[in-house]
Amino acid sequence: QKEVEQNSGPLSVPEGAIASLNCTYSDRGSQSFFWYRQYSGKSPELIMSIYSNGDKEDGRFTAQLNKASQYVSLLIRDSQPSDSATYLCAVNRGSGNTPLVFGKGTRLSVIA
Amino acid sequence: SAVISQKPSRDICQRGTSLTIQCQVDSQVTMMFWYRQQPGQSLTLIATANQGSEATYESGFVIDKFPISRPNLTFSTLTVSNMSPEDSSIYLCSVDPGTGTYEQYFGPGTRLTVT
Repeated sequence: QKEVEQNSGPLSVPEGAIASLNCTYSDRGSQSFFWYRQYSGKSPELIMSIYSNGDKEDGRFTAQLNKASQYVSLLIRDSQPSDSATYLCAVNRGSGNTPLVFGKGTRLSVIA
Repeated sequence: SAVISQKPSRDICQRGTSLTIQCQVDSQVTMMFWYRQQPGQSLTLIATANQGSEATYESGFVIDKFPISRPNLTFSTLTVSNMSPEDSSIYLCSVDPGTGTYEQYFGPGTRLTVT
């Protein structure tokens, strides 16, 4: 089983700050990378996908990918209390349409 | 994305019994997946269910314990057989809509408690 590692947290940030969530993966053949948000008692919701090295921005979210370092990150700008959730990093097992491997998730708490 | 529903949303079952969970999608999809999320843990893939072929199970999961059906491109079932308290978990189905992005979307989940 290929591994995806995340700090479990909790990561606490004040409202309005930037939250930085990190993820490393072990399979160098992975091509697709995803961030999911999971509120307590709910199912995971896809918020970002990234496939190429560099940054990808969508609203307050920026995903960053560095395949050489096998590192994926998610930045949340202007953090809001509603962003408080567990963020799951997911990586496909190789190229093409393959199942995802999930990290254990980082719990984010945004303090008003 | 796709709209996915699951039934039941939750259930409390006695050990030794079986429960069948249904997953319905509002569009035709080739790839469907079943995951388990134990309390406080991340998601673990149980199996991949493609229409027209046998499900592919991950290490540690067997067909006798988790039989899966995939009768068409919009529906799948997962049965948890001969349940024990260790099977208490949230069971989630997900789909890849086949847009070429390899994104997966999750159903709302089924919370199973085995007593």
